[in-house]
Amino acid sequence: DGGITQSPKYLFRKEGQNVTLSCEQNLNHDAMYWYRQDPGQGLRLIYYSQIVNDFQKGDIAEGYSVSREKKESFPLTVTSAQKNPTAFYLCASRKGETSGANVLTFGAGSRLTVL
Amino acid sequence: AQSVAQPEDQVNVAEGNPLTVKCTYSVSGNPYLFWYVQYPNRGLQFLLKYITGDNLVKGSYGFEAEFNKSQTSFHLKKPSALVSDSALYFCAVSPRGAGSYQLTFGKGTKLSVIP
Repeated sequence: DGGITQSPKYLFRKEGQNVTLSCEQNLNHDAMYWYRQDPGQGLRLIYYSQIVNDFQKGDIAEGYSVSREKKESFPLTVTSAQKNPTAFYLCASRKGETSGANVLTFGAGSRLTVL
Repeated sequence: AQSVAQPEDQVNVAEGNPLTVKCTYSVSGNPYLFWYVQYPNRGLQFLLKYITGDNLVKGSYGFEAEFNKSQTSFHLKKPSALVSDSALYFCAVSPRGAGSYQLTFGKGTKLSVIP
């Protein structure tokens, strides 16, 4: 079955450490996204990528970095510069960007907790 | 800038009763509108979308939503609620044309269906 796989599901980090969240899709989707979810704040866009080797900042990119070396993969690194990284992180993908009507497919999420 | 408002943080409804989850939006021009559902510790799942045409959109699991252009609303409805409908519901908007990559989500409404 096609879908999006996020790993790890749960991650604990000490302050000052960088961590990388994995996102892999086998849907042959062109666009991929990272969202952060906090209680009562909905989903906020961190980064998105429309094609390989290209990505753009979303609304809350500070303290995060991404890469898009392969169409299937869009890893997110939470750096030590992110002051409040404890959150639920969601990866999503969408088929092509020629139409905003295309539906997002989400992974199951990764919950990051800073100790 | 586009925005989505879900005025109710929580909606409680008795099983078997009709349910409504409210959504209003602000976007330039005619939007694409979406509803997604999230179960605990999971990613979001697509329910339905409005692109054009009939203002009443039917989606998964018996849900429907009505697009009202004059009131800029896109309320989610179901004639008879089930306990299994209890979840977090997100409304989202995307502009047409340029910028259609940017999907903006509301903060979510927690639906509790009481047996």
